Amino acid sequence: GNSVTQMEGPVTLSEEAFLTINCTYTATGYPSLFWYVQYPGEGLQLLLKATKADDKGSNKGFEATYRKETTSFHLEKGSVQVSDSAVYFCALSASPLTGANSKLTFGKGITLSVRP
Amino acid sequence: EAGVAQSPRYKIIEKRQSVAFWCNPISGHATLYWYQQILGQGPKLLIQFQNNGVVDDSQLPKDRFSAERLKGVDSTLKIQPAKLEDSAVYLCASSAGTGAYEQYFGPGTRLTVT
Repeated sequence: GNSVTQMEGPVTLSEEAFLTINCTYTATGYPSLFWYVQYPGEGLQLLLKATKADDKGSNKGFEATYRKETTSFHLEKGSVQVSDSAVYFCALSASPLTGANSKLTFGKGITLSVRP
Repeated sequence: EAGVAQSPRYKIIEKRQSVAFWCNPISGHATLYWYQQILGQGPKLLIQFQNNGVVDDSQLPKDRFSAERLKGVDSTLKIQPAKLEDSAVYLCASSAGTGAYEQYFGPGTRLTVT
């Protein structure tokens, strides 16, 4: 079945540091890939997505590139801010071409804390 | 545009009691999802509706969980009787359709079973 593996956390960084959060996946066909973020006290919200190989999703200074050859979708940001402190989830949605439904399969999530 | 609404936000019950959660999706969204998020884990799909029909309920513990989506709009998720391991956040999400449409999540209901 489909699965998503995220690097173990938590992660603590100083403001303006470079961020990488690793995500790898297992799925048949060509799934769509997502990063969701959950800020303290708020609901899950979509951060960025990519729907085909080599696509790059970007939003709020975050980027992730869909790498089919390594089945990865690592999240990066060049300079983190205190306001980026949150829980980050990598997720996939199976390809509709396989006949699968659109449910999201999530990784375990990783907590990022950014110090001033 | 109003987001996905859920109630209650918090609920504490004793084991073997029953509980119900309510979700109102974004207007016009045909697809509705219920996810269970246990502490320290990512959300896991319990049930997916397309309009008022069930698309996927393979992960729903049907001996104790039930869900309905009357008239293809609001949805209710019920647990009866509750077990300690049901303590989790229950998330409702909606999307305009199936496929790579964005799913919009509600704030969730945090259930504690004692």
